[in-house]
Amino acid sequence: KAGVTQTPRYLIKTRGQQVTLSCSPISGHRSVSWYQQTPGQGLQFLFEYFSETQRNKGNFPGRFSGRQFSNSRSEMNVSTLELGDSALYLCASSLVGGSRETQYFGPGTRLLVL
Amino acid sequence: TQLLEQSPQFLSIQEGENLTVYCNSSSVFSSLQWYRQEPGEGPVLLVTVVTGGEVKKLKRLTFQFGDARKDSSLHITAAQPGDTGLYLCAGAGAGGTSYGKLTFGQGTILTVHP
Repeated sequence: KAGVTQTPRYLIKTRGQQVTLSCSPISGHRSVSWYQQTPGQGLQFLFEYFSETQRNKGNFPGRFSGRQFSNSRSEMNVSTLELGDSALYLCASSLVGGSRETQYFGPGTRLLVL
Repeated sequence: TQLLEQSPQFLSIQEGENLTVYCNSSSVFSSLQWYRQEPGEGPVLLVTVVTGGEVKKLKRLTFQFGDARKDSSLHITAAQPGDTGLYLCAGAGAGGTSYGKLTFGQGTILTVHP
């Protein structure tokens, strides 16, 4: 079974631009979660989608948004990029997002904001 | 807000030594997952523990989930250079506000010298 895939793997943007990242979950998984990883803050939860609905959200500004499609693929968007948005963005999938389920991570998208 | 305190932050040992990494919290978790991450890649799952007092073994790695489901440990026996990497613990809370959300510890950077 194929794992979680994320595209693109690397991205360079300038301040003020916007960016869209894509995540394809493991086949059959309907929950997709997004995380931001930085050296200073570690891994922080952004939001989770299930059946095209955002069910859970972390403490990030409204510039960070996402959506999920009927095939469970998900995208996240960051508008008006800031230097501090430079990070590794990870998505993870699980069957239905339950608290006893395992989350499987993709390889991440490395975003550099100049 | 659930927090996971992971220690130590850095560990530098010689090949053949044993080591233990700890994850502690004042909150109860429904499950706890341990991951290993290589630079620039996504976290790779090592184990998921869901029952208080549970012990799981994966070759030279032993994982314990505390009886009260507030803490966990990872013990590596006879460490090898191939064990070098970032080890992360992550807990999932209970209830609807925890859908798809993992709370991560700060991580332990392990270096095993030949």
